[in-house]
Amino acid sequence: DTAVSQTPKYLVTQMGNDKSIKCEQNLGHDTMYWYKQDSKKFLKIMFSYNNKELIINETVPNRFSPKSPDKAHLNLHINSLELGDSAVYFCASSHPGTGPTGELFFGEGSRLTVL
Amino acid sequence: AQKITQTQPGMFVQEKEAVTLDCTYDTSDPSYGLFWYKQPSSGEMIFLIYQGSYDQQNATEGRYSLNFQKARKSANLVISASQLGDSAMYFCAMTDPSGGYNKLIFGAGTRLAVHP
Repeated sequence: DTAVSQTPKYLVTQMGNDKSIKCEQNLGHDTMYWYKQDSKKFLKIMFSYNNKELIINETVPNRFSPKSPDKAHLNLHINSLELGDSAVYFCASSHPGTGPTGELFFGEGSRLTVL
Repeated sequence: AQKITQTQPGMFVQEKEAVTLDCTYDTSDPSYGLFWYKQPSSGEMIFLIYQGSYDQQNATEGRYSLNFQKARKSANLVISASQLGDSAMYFCAMTDPSGGYNKLIFGAGTRLAVHP
């Protein structure tokens, strides 16, 4: 059983299109995240939800809209895709709080290529 | 603001030898957590080891140990007896409790190549 699963794993699309990436976790965690890994491998947090409530929004363009229908799901919708959006997007989940429980459990990543 | 620095873009090590990957951090918060993750070429992120700021002893997990020097704000990862499968990107991360919830901020990563 995959703990954090994201679909699709690969996405190739044209500039200006709208696309979505879905994420589901079966770990019973309250908190979910979206991270972006750029071409230089730098990982940066984009959003975080705790029990369906948005708690972190790291100055991401409003073309990116996360949606959490329930605490096990966090989807990412991107409007009007730009070349700079090409990256690997990682979904992750964790228990809230500090300590080892703050460990992030990552999905396998979704590689988005914008042409 | 919290910051994580990994100064080694790439490292080489001979199989079966030990290697240290450097990580320094900056925070004014007395309570924080430090993590190391491994990212092989297949792309997934694998949790390796955790160190809490109040932990008295250095964390160890099998061949991984964390050399935690609080006064110097460093949290170096030591991999003993390197194996070919250790070739990967390694990321140091720390908790950032800003906004009342924890998130992890990551360093730029170190690419480790293990040679036979």
